[in-house]
Amino acid sequence: DAGVIQSPRHEVTEMGQEVTLRCKPISGHNSLFWYRQTMMRGLELLIYFNNNVPIDDSGMPEDRFSAKMPNASFSTLKIQPSEPRDSAVYFCASTRDRAGSPLHFGNGTRLTVT
Amino acid sequence: DAKTTQPPSMDCAEGRAANLPCNHSTISGNEYVYWYRQIHSQGPQYIIHGLKNNETNEMASLIITEDRKSSTLILPHATLRDTAVYYCIVRDNYGGSQGNLIFGKGTKLSVKP
Repeated sequence: DAGVIQSPRHEVTEMGQEVTLRCKPISGHNSLFWYRQTMMRGLELLIYFNNNVPIDDSGMPEDRFSAKMPNASFSTLKIQPSEPRDSAVYFCASTRDRAGSPLHFGNGTRLTVT
Repeated sequence: DAKTTQPPSMDCAEGRAANLPCNHSTISGNEYVYWYRQIHSQGPQYIIHGLKNNETNEMASLIITEDRKSSTLILPHATLRDTAVYYCIVRDNYGGSQGNLIFGKGTKLSVKP
């Protein structure tokens, strides 16, 4: 089975540019999560969706960050404008909305903003 | 904040059992214990989870104390490829809205030849 698919694997951009990260969850999963990982702060939840609806976006750092889930098989995380402090690895995860179902993570997008 | 406490690091000899402890003294009745691991530069990998009973799968065993305030992840025959950061997480699964996973700092397990 294909797992959670993220693209691109690596992104290098200049400060001020728009960055879009993409995620395809596992088929049949109806909850999707975006996490960010840095050395200083570890793994932090940014936002999660249930049935394509954002449920909790309290982890989104500021208005420069936005996330969408237009359908059950696709989600984007956009940063506009990007800043050097946004450099991190961004992970997407999905699960079935069912008690005891584990989250399954993609391999992440490593973002570097210069 | 993470609701679990784990030692920051552990060593294990290759071929021996690795026993990773976790304290979760404030766990509530509807919270599961999950274990994940992260190998450098990869996404967190699900290992096992449990509510009350001990669990075993092809990767590991999970032993949960009767009062549910602590648990131990057991890798029965550790290999060099098991070197990773191991995260113990408690997560609320009650209701339709999935609780998110709150990651602590985990335990860095080093398996040595």
